Amino acid sequence: SQQGEEDPQALSIQEGENATMNCSYKTSINNLQWYRQNSGRGLVHLILIRSNEREKHSGRLRVTLDTSKKSSSLLITASRAADTASYFCATDEGGRGGSEKLVFGKGTKLTVNP
Amino acid sequence: GAVVSQHPSWVICKSGTSVKIECRSLDFQATTMFWYRQFPKQSLMLMATSNEGSKATYEQGVEKDKFLINHASLTLSTLTVTSAHPEDSSFYICSAFPLALSSVNEQFFGPGTRLTVL
Repeated sequence: SQQGEEDPQALSIQEGENATMNCSYKTSINNLQWYRQNSGRGLVHLILIRSNEREKHSGRLRVTLDTSKKSSSLLITASRAADTASYFCATDEGGRGGSEKLVFGKGTKLTVNP
Repeated sequence: GAVVSQHPSWVICKSGTSVKIECRSLDFQATTMFWYRQFPKQSLMLMATSNEGSKATYEQGVEKDKFLINHASLTLSTLTVTSAHPEDSSFYICSAFPLALSSVNEQFFGPGTRLTVL
């Protein structure tokens, strides 16, 4: 099943601005993760937030999780041209924890203009 | 640490041939590896779960006889696309789930393999 729907699908901003991407999901989860993918490359893990956490920070990244609304947001502050990439959220389907398969959203393509 | 490699990084083949893609966890052991397919400008779609020493679990709609998976060791899983056709052209990505981090669902992804079938 496809869950983890990001919006917007595409986002174009100027360097220095903040970028916010949202993700919604449908089933219960143990955690939600955000990944980054440069064009034609593999995925880079950015951050994992557990279902009992509401907010998490990592450098210029801030992730929030609202399990009541089944949604998450990724905020990139003070964006740089190097942040240009596609960003995906992924949830652990089934919510049982452990080595669960991930279900990816459609992604947000972020373009940061110099 | 936690590096996953894929080989080859890209491959071009003729229709009807078979292509093998390797996924290796370089500095950790992984009982579980996942294979994803990604079409241009789309998200990753899980194809199958590869378990060391047992049969792979395929997602609905994925032909197990076409996409053969072998997880022969704790550091290697292979995906063979048999009798490849142009519609199989895609970006194939694997991920590995570290045995030592079994309490956390953090997977590590390979760099992907671009398959083009002529």
